[in-house]
Amino acid sequence: QKEVEQNSGPLSVPEGAIASLNCTYSDRGSQSFFWYRQYSGKSPELIMFIYSNGDKEDGRFTAQLNKASQYVSLLIRDSQPSDSATYLCAVRYGQNFVFGPGTRLSVLP
Amino acid sequence: DGGITQSPKYLFRKEGQNVTLSCEQNLNHDAMYWYRQDPGQGLRLIYYSQIVNDFQKGDIAEGYSVSREKKESFPLTVTSAQKNPTAFYLCASIGTGLAKNIQYFGAGTRLSVL
Repeated sequence: QKEVEQNSGPLSVPEGAIASLNCTYSDRGSQSFFWYRQYSGKSPELIMFIYSNGDKEDGRFTAQLNKASQYVSLLIRDSQPSDSATYLCAVRYGQNFVFGPGTRLSVLP
Repeated sequence: DGGITQSPKYLFRKEGQNVTLSCEQNLNHDAMYWYRQDPGQGLRLIYYSQIVNDFQKGDIAEGYSVSREKKESFPLTVTSAQKNPTAFYLCASIGTGLAKNIQYFGAGTRLSVL
């Protein structure tokens, strides 16, 4: 059974701080890793994906992948109240995606 | 505008009734997916289809059925055998070429039981 785990939160950070979201996965055969943001009652939207060890940056977002530790993280710099949402980690296995339960982030003004 | 259209946005099912959720895409994508999301949980795969006239069961296919007669359409039927259908249902497709790693989602259908 392929599993993806996340701390459900809520994670609360003050506006302007760095939010750090973590995800672990069970199957070493995973090739691609994704972070989605989901606002309440809406569908998920892709923030970024990563498939190589190391860091990948896109604006205020940085994804970090460590395949040896089976760990992927998302850092959000200069957090804004509009970043308050649930963040879903997903792992791709061939044509299928396995999603974690999500971490709820609250950015306090 | 290209995208994935799900309808209806809200749906109510009576006990013993089958209901069908619509998913249409004009992105020319081959692979399409149906997920179920329960409150506070991630997405769980119900069915997926990689090509017309072919589909595969996901982790929670029991009580659901699908068809893929056209590339653009992948409807999901929630049958009376699904005893706990209340959830948020999401349809998705995977891009091609440079977007082959990107999964596009529709706006979702929220199903409730009367």
